[in-house]
Amino acid sequence: NAGVTQTPKFRVLKTGQSMTLLCAQDMNHEYMYWYRQDPGMGLRLIHYSVGEGTTAKGEVPDGYNVSRLKKQNFLLGLESAAPSQTSVYFCASSTIDRLQNNEQFFGPGTRLTVL
Amino acid sequence: KNEVEQSPQNLTAQEGEFITINCSYSVGISALHWLQQHPGGGIVSLFMLSSGKKKHGRLIATINIQEKHSSLHITASHPRDSAVYICAVPYSGGGADGLTFGKGTHLIIQP
Repeated sequence: NAGVTQTPKFRVLKTGQSMTLLCAQDMNHEYMYWYRQDPGMGLRLIHYSVGEGTTAKGEVPDGYNVSRLKKQNFLLGLESAAPSQTSVYFCASSTIDRLQNNEQFFGPGTRLTVL
Repeated sequence: KNEVEQSPQNLTAQEGEFITINCSYSVGISALHWLQQHPGGGIVSLFMLSSGKKKHGRLIATINIQEKHSSLHITASHPRDSAVYICAVPYSGGGADGLTFGKGTHLIIQP
């Protein structure tokens, strides 16, 4: 099992360019998440999905869109990149146990720089 | 939204020392997570606990639900324990809607 994978690992964009980050998981998890990590801010939730075809906003959703067309994939899109979106992006997936707790499994991260 | 506070932010200790990292949160939760972020950036889940205490090897996590406080302890610390340790709780108390995180504790264990 590969677990959670993210594509690409690194990317440099110019302001105004668009791109899509791909997250894939092979654990048949229902739930998937996108987080960003910035120095001094910790990890913050961007968007999440509780199942195929569903998405919801997290703490910092502005400037991002997401789609979950297949259960195993969760895409994060930047339509018009801004320098403030320079960050490390982590995807995670989870399932819910009988106690309603969700241990999350993280991808390796994507380092994005917007010039 | 749950607020998470961790202390200390930075901790340097000598090999063999007993380490304690603290976490407090503002809203009642179903479970609290402790995560480890390696120097290379990867994040792994160490513990998920809703009451009492859990132990994995030299790591021990405790939680007091009434006081909204958790601690992570490392016994007989070793340089390979050097990492960032992150406390996290459900974004809105429970369920599947993601986590909100503390800012992390950067731990360095010197030989």
